[in-house]
Amino acid sequence: EIVMTQSPATLSVSPGERATLSCRASQSVSSNLAWYQQKPGQAPRLLIYGASTRATGIPARFSGSGSGTEFTLTISSLQSEDFAVYYCQQYNNWPFLALTFGGGTKVEIK
Amino acid sequence: QVQLVQSGAEVKKPGASVKVSCKVSGYTLTELSMHWVRQAPGKGLEWMGGFDPEDGETIYAQKFQGRVTMTEDTSTDTAYMELSSLRSEDTAVYYCATSLTTAIYFDYWGQGTLVTVSS
Repeated sequence: EIVMTQSPATLSVSPGERATLSCRASQSVSSNLAWYQQKPGQAPRLLIYGASTRATGIPARFSGSGSGTEFTLTISSLQSEDFAVYYCQQYNNWPFLALTFGGGTKVEIK
Repeated sequence: QVQLVQSGAEVKKPGASVKVSCKVSGYTLTELSMHWVRQAPGKGLEWMGGFDPEDGETIYAQKFQGRVTMTEDTSTDTAYMELSSLRSEDTAVYYCATSLTTAIYFDYWGQGTLVTVSS
């Protein structure tokens, strides 16, 4: 099983500032990496797939980068609605390898 | 647009089974690869298993092998997830989730079903 490790666990950021979230895979997942945003009481929302492609309707302030084992989600200028928990998920080589999620990064107001 | 509507909250005793449903609209179930993800209170997301349309098989996460069964009723476009031998650690919100592509990331999610296991 591929282990996904996210850092930091919590990120304190002021509105308008840039947030950089990291996700590391225990082995290469190529570009088969997605990012989700989850707010309390809601289902996750797809932000990024293919490591860097924004999903439909996702604002341009969200960007993803990386390949192999190191990935980054950047929120260029945090808006009030962006304070949430963010998860990465790898889907490399499914169904031969299980899908796995990272433990999440909570972005909170500083 | 795909819409996924799940069944309501459940309270079960340890050792019992629970069956959660996920009704699809906007597409037919045969056009989708349905998966199930759970989230314990205050914890992260955990993939449980999903359907591989390439060979028509359901793949389960090793952790749930032997305890989970995922089925589909294509006549009603409803997917089901049944988890048996419930224990307190199975208390969680269970989501069905799917994608319109062959790549398994999830752009459509059900609203979630809270399953509480308590004596």
